[in-house]
Amino acid sequence: GENVEQHPSTLSVQEGDSAVIKCTYSDSASNYFPWYKQELGKRPQLIIDIRSNVGEKKDQRIAVTLNKTAKHFSLHITETQPEDSAVYFCAASTTGTASKLTFGTGTRLQVTL
Amino acid sequence: GAVVSQHPSRVICKSGTSVKIECRSLDFQATTMFWYRQFPKKSLMLMATSNEGSKATYEQGVEKDKFLINHASLTLSTLTVTSAHPEDSSFYICSARVVLAERYNEQFFGPGTRLTVL
Repeated sequence: GENVEQHPSTLSVQEGDSAVIKCTYSDSASNYFPWYKQELGKRPQLIIDIRSNVGEKKDQRIAVTLNKTAKHFSLHITETQPEDSAVYFCAASTTGTASKLTFGTGTRLQVTL
Repeated sequence: GAVVSQHPSRVICKSGTSVKIECRSLDFQATTMFWYRQFPKKSLMLMATSNEGSKATYEQGVEKDKFLINHASLTLSTLTVTSAHPEDSSFYICSARVVLAERYNEQFFGPGTRLTVL
């Protein structure tokens, strides 16, 4: 089955700096890669996703890059703000009726003033 | 759009009792829902895939007789933790998969249920 590794487990940045979280996956058949933000005691919220037919996707301060050859994808947050502080999870899956998400271990991002 | 509700949000029960958790997709139909378990400061672990009108598919190591799943309609899946014990205490989260072709595979999560077994 799929295995997703995520690094770093914790990340502390100053407000205004950029944050980068990296994930690798094992199943070359995976072609859907979402990123979720989870605040303490809350539900995971989809913040951005990318499919294997593109290499990069951007939405305001958030961007995701995908390297299918190397089987890794990254989340980039620019101009970080205190409200970006949360736990971020990457995930990977194939498409199709039997597909399911495999999550990374999570990154706790702390944005300090 | 794509709102998923979960009920109850918190439940405390005595050891040996059964607890039912409901997951509803409020504004879309979901032929497939997923049940996850999350321990403190840990990732989401998929327990089972719930398919409308058919039996759930359980992940390896998850006891199907312990965690009963029923997906009776396109908007409702239930998870029943039978004969709960303290080690079943956890945060249980459901998700529903969007069926629109262009957004296929997107999962939207419920708010979670925190189960505490005394």
